[in-house]
Amino acid sequence: NAGVTQTPKFRILKIGQSMTLQCAQDMNHNYMYWYRQDPGMGLKLIYYSVGAGITDKGEVPNGYNVSRSTTEDFPLRLELAAPSQTSVYFCASRPSRTTGGGRLFGAGTRLSVL
Amino acid sequence: GESVGLHLPTLSVQEGDNSIINCAYSNSASDYFIWYKQESGKGPQFIIDIRSNMDKRQGQRVTVLLNKTVKHLSLQIAATQPGDSAVYFCAEMPGGTSYGKLTFGQGTILTVHP
Repeated sequence: NAGVTQTPKFRILKIGQSMTLQCAQDMNHNYMYWYRQDPGMGLKLIYYSVGAGITDKGEVPNGYNVSRSTTEDFPLRLELAAPSQTSVYFCASRPSRTTGGGRLFGAGTRLSVL
Repeated sequence: GESVGLHLPTLSVQEGDNSIINCAYSNSASDYFIWYKQESGKGPQFIIDIRSNMDKRQGQRVTVLLNKTVKHLSLQIAATQPGDSAVYFCAEMPGGTSYGKLTFGQGTILTVHP
């Protein structure tokens, strides 16, 4: 199954709980991204990675952490979940900077923090 | 038109009509622009892109127009079909070592009536 796979698809958390959103791609893409999408809004970049071992902050990194130990996987960690983190989270990937901006998105993880 | 928060711009058309979706971008240094389609419950899907050194690019049933003078981007869909119903986002990316960091617009809801 070539593409970007996100798990879980849905999750409900209580305030203060933590969880890891998983993202995996099997296309050997170097660049991976995490976005969040709030209702009626466009996507905002949380973190990105340009290769294994290299990550950097996007627009809205507070409350999140990432790691990139392999090319395939780019998990997003939420520590001490807050209601403001209720959102749909999308992971995306693309081969490299020189191939333009188009990227492949996963189907998303819908997270509610209550 | 412009909108804030949950009130996305909407466009309703009849099947077979042509659709034009507009987007105003903010960064005059943006070098690359992309249109994405997002169906309900799915991740964004790449439609077409254009570089800042072009003013028009055509794909299958879609055309993107770029007016850098007024920082305006439009997506034209010919012979719109019910399957085109979705939210459409424009995204911009600055040139240089931006690592493909896209800034997404708010989106426009397109509804196609049979």
